Amino acid sequence: QKEVEQNSGPLSVPEGAIASLNCTYSDRGSQSFFWYRQYSGKSPELIMSIYSNGDKEDGRFTAQLNKASQYVSLLIRDSQPSDSATYLCAVNTGFQKLVFGTGTRLLVSP
Amino acid sequence: DAGVTQSPTHLIKTRGQQVTLRCSPKSGHDTVSWYQQALGQGPQFIFQYYEEEERQRGNFPDRFSGHQFPNYSSELNVNALLLGDSALYLCASSYAPTSGTFNEQFFGPGTRLTVL
Repeated sequence: QKEVEQNSGPLSVPEGAIASLNCTYSDRGSQSFFWYRQYSGKSPELIMSIYSNGDKEDGRFTAQLNKASQYVSLLIRDSQPSDSATYLCAVNTGFQKLVFGTGTRLLVSP
Repeated sequence: DAGVTQSPTHLIKTRGQQVTLRCSPKSGHDTVSWYQQALGQGPQFIFQYYEEEERQRGNFPDRFSGHQFPNYSSELNVNALLLGDSALYLCASSYAPTSGTFNEQFFGPGTRLTVL
């Protein structure tokens, strides 16, 4: 079993819709979770971090964490074509070592 | 405020050669982590440097080595290059208080290494 799993996609949504990206992880002791956005040919950009169960909102982005289910999600409201990118879920497994999923490719059509 | 910087941007080497990649962390950060990202994959942790010492290491052979300088900048060295070492090499910086659990890591632009 992979440590961090994501659906590779592509996830296609129309402009203005809500995009929902999901991630599961295997290390029950993990305490911090991150979402990065990566445009083609660029490096990952941190967009959200979450440490406690529940929701955390930042602008159009909402991260959701459920440690009992070992599940993290990212919601993007009012999706824009500029949101089209690969979204990487990362889990801190201790001393800032991040373990990444393979990423979900999001396509937002005008 | 300068972000994380890396050099060079691109590099082409042949099998068996050695390469050195460089990273300067974000201002105020003292920890540097290196990751390798193959095409279509997520970044894979290579190692991390804090206080000029390697603090953690991922599942990479000894051909991969590094160094951190007193100004917190870091180098990644790869010896005896293989075709499979072709990838995007990413440096991430963070600030490491005692717990080290909740620190956000910020990536540089990366170095694209091609091994022929």
